[in-house]
Amino acid sequence: EPEVTQTPSHQVTQMGQEVILRCVPISNHLYFYWYRQILGQKVEFLVSFYNNEISEKSEIFDDQFSVERPDGSNFTLKIRSTKLEDSAMYFCASSGSRTGGAYEQYFGPGTRLTVT
Amino acid sequence: RKEVEQDPGPFNVPEGATVAFNCTYSNSASQSFFWYRQDCRKEPKLLMSVYSSGNEDGRFTAQLNRASQYISLLIRDSKLSDSATYLCVVNVLDDKIIFGKGTRLHILP
Repeated sequence: EPEVTQTPSHQVTQMGQEVILRCVPISNHLYFYWYRQILGQKVEFLVSFYNNEISEKSEIFDDQFSVERPDGSNFTLKIRSTKLEDSAMYFCASSGSRTGGAYEQYFGPGTRLTVT
Repeated sequence: RKEVEQDPGPFNVPEGATVAFNCTYSNSASQSFFWYRQDCRKEPKLLMSVYSSGNEDGRFTAQLNRASQYISLLIRDSKLSDSATYLCVVNVLDDKIIFGKGTRLHILP
């Protein structure tokens, strides 16, 4: 069964450093998403990406965040200058179509980011 | 009013019992609705979409009431493996998804 994969599973970084989180969505999916979940809190939408551009973003997704699909398979989230409050689990998801339609999102196993 | 609201629980339910979760959403323009389950420190996994006419998948039944902006999930004949957090998920724009905080379920042997 096809699945979303994410690397690394755990990333530790120092405050102020840049991190890149990587995702390989399901191969025939067209819509890609990043979410975060701070420990003990709810899953929060960050950004959605379609046709090589951002289609929606939340207020959390400020100028320190960026996303890219550098090739036909990878989808990355970059955090330019990490803060302590960026420590969270980051989930990538993909779907075959917009969720306004019939298709559902499938999540990767997440990258746990720890900022020290 | 929160965008997506759920009773956090926990619900402690004996094995074999029926349990129901409710969820309310604030945006009347919301288009699609889903239930996900999340095990501790794992990713959310899609359980089922929720259709206007209501839908069933084995022991699971989902209902949508657009007039009341309310979604429900019913689990019949609960199993120990049903223990998890159940997330109500609503899409409010084409590509923006809002998760509820989830309801924790513990199935007791």
